[in-house]
Amino acid sequence: GENVEQHPSTLSVQEGDSAVIKCTYSDSASNYFPWYKQELGKGPQLIIDIRSNVGEKKDQRIAVTLNKTAKHFSLHITETQPEDSAVYFCAASRGSGNTPLVFGKGTRLSVIA
Amino acid sequence: GAVVSQHPSRVICKSGTSVKIECRSLDFQATTMFWYRQFPKQSLMLMATSNEGSKATYEQGVEKDKFLINHASLTLSTLTVTSAHPEDSSFYICSAHNRGTNYGYTFGSGTRLTVV
Repeated sequence: GENVEQHPSTLSVQEGDSAVIKCTYSDSASNYFPWYKQELGKGPQLIIDIRSNVGEKKDQRIAVTLNKTAKHFSLHITETQPEDSAVYFCAASRGSGNTPLVFGKGTRLSVIA
Repeated sequence: GAVVSQHPSRVICKSGTSVKIECRSLDFQATTMFWYRQFPKQSLMLMATSNEGSKATYEQGVEKDKFLINHASLTLSTLTVTSAHPEDSSFYICSAHNRGTNYGYTFGSGTRLTVV
């Protein structure tokens, strides 16, 4: 089955700096790669996703890149703000209706004001 | 957008009792519901996958007789933790797949279960 590795496990950045979180996956059939933000005591919230037919996607301060050959995908947050502090999870799936998302172990991002 | 309502958000129960968690898709039909468990400072681990009208498929190591899943309609799935023990204390999260889309996974807000 799919295995998703995520690094780093913790990340501290100064406000205004950029943050990068990286994930690798093992299943070459995976074609959907979402990123979630989870705040304490809450369910995960989708912040951006990318599909295998796209190499990069951007939404304001957030971008995701995908390298299918290397089975890598990364989350980039620019101009970080204190409210970006949370746990971020990457995930992968084959994208069909009955295949679940497999999650990385998470990255705790702290943005220091 | 798609919304999954999960209840209760928090529950405390005594050892040996059962607890039911509900997830409802409010504005779409959820053909498939995934149930995850999350221990403190850990990732989401898939417990089971349920398709409307059929039996759930459980991940290895998850006791199907302990974690009863019912997905009787396209808008409601329930997880019942039977004979709960303190080690069952965890954060339980459902995720519904939006029928008619290939990539629509919508998560509930989670249920914090504490067994005392």
